[in-house]
Amino acid sequence: AQTVTQSQPEMSVQEAETVTLSCTYDTSESNYYLFWYKQPPSRQMILVIRQEAYKQQNATENRFSVNFQKAAKSFSLKISDSQLGDTAMYFCAFMKPSDSGTYKYIFGTGTRLKVLA
Amino acid sequence: DTEVTQTPKHLVMGMTNKKSLKCEQHMGHRAMYWYKQKAKKPPELMFVYSYEKLSINESVPSRFSPECPNSSLLNLHLHALQPEDSALYLCASSPRGQGYNQPQHFGDGTRLSIL
Repeated sequence: AQTVTQSQPEMSVQEAETVTLSCTYDTSESNYYLFWYKQPPSRQMILVIRQEAYKQQNATENRFSVNFQKAAKSFSLKISDSQLGDTAMYFCAFMKPSDSGTYKYIFGTGTRLKVLA
Repeated sequence: DTEVTQTPKHLVMGMTNKKSLKCEQHMGHRAMYWYKQKAKKPPELMFVYSYEKLSINESVPSRFSPECPNSSLLNLHLHALQPEDSALYLCASSPRGQGYNQPQHFGDGTRLSIL
C-alpha cells in the first residue's frame, strides 16, 4: 500500500525567509502524481503545486518550488520569500490509478506552518 | 473566491435530526467528491460521483447518504448521526470523470457538530 509521510508536524519561519517542508512516500509504481495542498484557517484546500513522476524537471509556481527525488521517493516543498498569508496547514498528496481505473488521493498527515512577522 | 460552494458553513444537529449538506460547482466539472476531515488530520475520502453516478463509496455508514441530482450539484443527506461524526465536511470537484488523474478543487467545507 502507498503511504505518504510528513515528518515535520509544525514549522515556523520568519517573514521573507525561505522554508522547506519535507514529504516522503512509499510506492512500487513508476507512474504517479504528487501534489502539495495548502489549507489556511479559512478551511479551503488550495492546490499549491503538482508534479508528474515521469517528469525530471522540478515544478515551480512563483515562490513555490519542489525538489522531486524519484529514486529517494522524496518530494519537498520550498517556499521562498515567505509571507504572512502562507501560514497554513500543508498536505502532501500522492495519486495513482488503481486497477479499477479510479484515482484517489493519499494524503500525508500535514505540516502546520506559521510565518512570523 | 471559491468556485465550489458549500452550504451551510456551520451546522449543529441532534442525533435524531435529518439534515442535508449541499455542494455546487459551475465549472462544468464531471467528478465530485465528499471528504470528512477531523481537526489537524488530512481529509478522508467518503464518496466519489463520476458523470453523476456513484463510483466510489469508501465503506461509509448508511447514516450518510449521498445524492447527485445533476452535474453541478452534490448533496449529503444526514440521519441519526453519532457524536464522532462531528467534523469538517469538504466537497471537491475535478474537470473530467473519475478515471483521470487531475487535481481537485475544494470548497470551504461545512463544520458539522452533533449534540
